[in-house]
Amino acid sequence: GESVGLHLPTLSVQEGDNSIINCAYSNSASDYFIWYKQESGKGPQFIIDIRSNMDKRQGQRVTVLLNKTVKHLSLQIAATQPGDSAVYFCAEIKGGGGKLIFGQGTELSVKP
Amino acid sequence: GAGVSQSPSNKVTEKGKDVELRCDPISGHTALYWYRQSLGQGLEFLIYFQGNSAPDKSGLPSDRFSAERTGGSVSTLTIQRTQQEDSAVYLCASSFRYQETQYFGPGTRLLVL
Repeated sequence: GESVGLHLPTLSVQEGDNSIINCAYSNSASDYFIWYKQESGKGPQFIIDIRSNMDKRQGQRVTVLLNKTVKHLSLQIAATQPGDSAVYFCAEIKGGGGKLIFGQGTELSVKP
Repeated sequence: GAGVSQSPSNKVTEKGKDVELRCDPISGHTALYWYRQSLGQGLEFLIYFQGNSAPDKSGLPSDRFSAERTGGSVSTLTIQRTQQEDSAVYLCASSFRYQETQYFGPGTRLLVL
């Protein structure tokens, strides 16, 4: 079916380490992918996005990798900080569409 | 600049009552979206508006749910005859254009008793 799912529901890392959050998607027609961060009691906050004509995109301390062959998306956070603790969602938009299809989310916990 | 705003931030209502949730998108954004986030669930699409085009209502769970967008700006999501399963966080997002980055508001937390 159509779904964007996350491999791990929780991820615990040590402050200063790098974090990798993974996401699998099933719809090969999707052409736009976004990572959102959601802190408790707040709405999702845009982190980074990538279009299907790209394999990698970098932001400030974050990198998104897209592997269309295996329909896999990942978010890498460098030098993870306590403020990075949140639930991270990947989302996709199918070609021609506008609505976001979200995964279930991964809770990142950063230990000081 | 100002982000997406939503009101009320919290709403408690009794089963069977109607509720209205409001969304003010980012100024200049032509597309507006509503999503729902239930406890322990991910986010599910409800409806979106793009300019003057007919809205995509494909995600509305029942005919008790409706939404309108007046003047291409503010939107109201209405839930009639609320049920306990309607309890959730209702999130609004907007984007400058269709298929571009969506920015979310803080959400309205609805509790139906």
